[in-house]
Amino acid sequence: EVQLLESGGGLEQPGGSLRLSCAASGFTFSTYAMSWVRQAPGKGLEWVSSINGGNSDTFYTDSVRGRFRISRDNSKDTLYLQMSGLRAEDTAVYYCAKSRGSYGSASDVWGQGTMVTVSS
Amino acid sequence: DIQMTQSPSSLSASVGDRVTISCRASQGITNSLAWYQQIPGKVPKLLIYAASTLQSGVPSRFSGSGSGTDFTLTISSLQPEDVATYYCQRYNSVPSTFGQGTKVEIK
Repeated sequence: EVQLLESGGGLEQPGGSLRLSCAASGFTFSTYAMSWVRQAPGKGLEWVSSINGGNSDTFYTDSVRGRFRISRDNSKDTLYLQMSGLRAEDTAVYYCAKSRGSYGSASDVWGQGTMVTVSS
Repeated sequence: DIQMTQSPSSLSASVGDRVTISCRASQGITNSLAWYQQIPGKVPKLLIYAASTLQSGVPSRFSGSGSGTDFTLTISSLQPEDVATYYCQRYNSVPSTFGQGTKVEIK
């Protein structure tokens, strides 16, 4: 069974840092692009970042570029999101999602999400 | 950036009704469009990709159409388990963007 399990969320102060992890199982992790998508409380979905499987090209939405860094460890089947310079507007559930192929394809498997709260 | 605009933002229909949701892109995106269903309290689920391809395991009452800038998700016969918010997403370039969502309720 294909599964994604996020961890690392929590409460952090403005300006702080958090690292999210997403452990994948049930598929050949290195083959597929992976993404982070967030959802603020009561709001819609927002794409945050993606990373390709093979060449590890990375992509970011403007509001997080320079503050967040996406990475992957294909030997551990794990995706990461290093978040720094956190702001109140980063408060959201963060979902890890598997793409159907490389970047530029839909996300066919989603994790359960991990909540990030940025507040003093 | 290419914006995605969904309409309506919400709708209420009876069980068995045909329901259509529209998604319009501010520029042409060929067929690089997906539709997701998010049941309250649940994780988003892929319904349709490449504008009209049904994801494996998704009931055939769901269908997608369109290309370029105008896309439609159709539920041919609304069921109680279809109560959810539906999102379109374009994924052809950076940044990928979602529509604002359409909330579907049973009348």
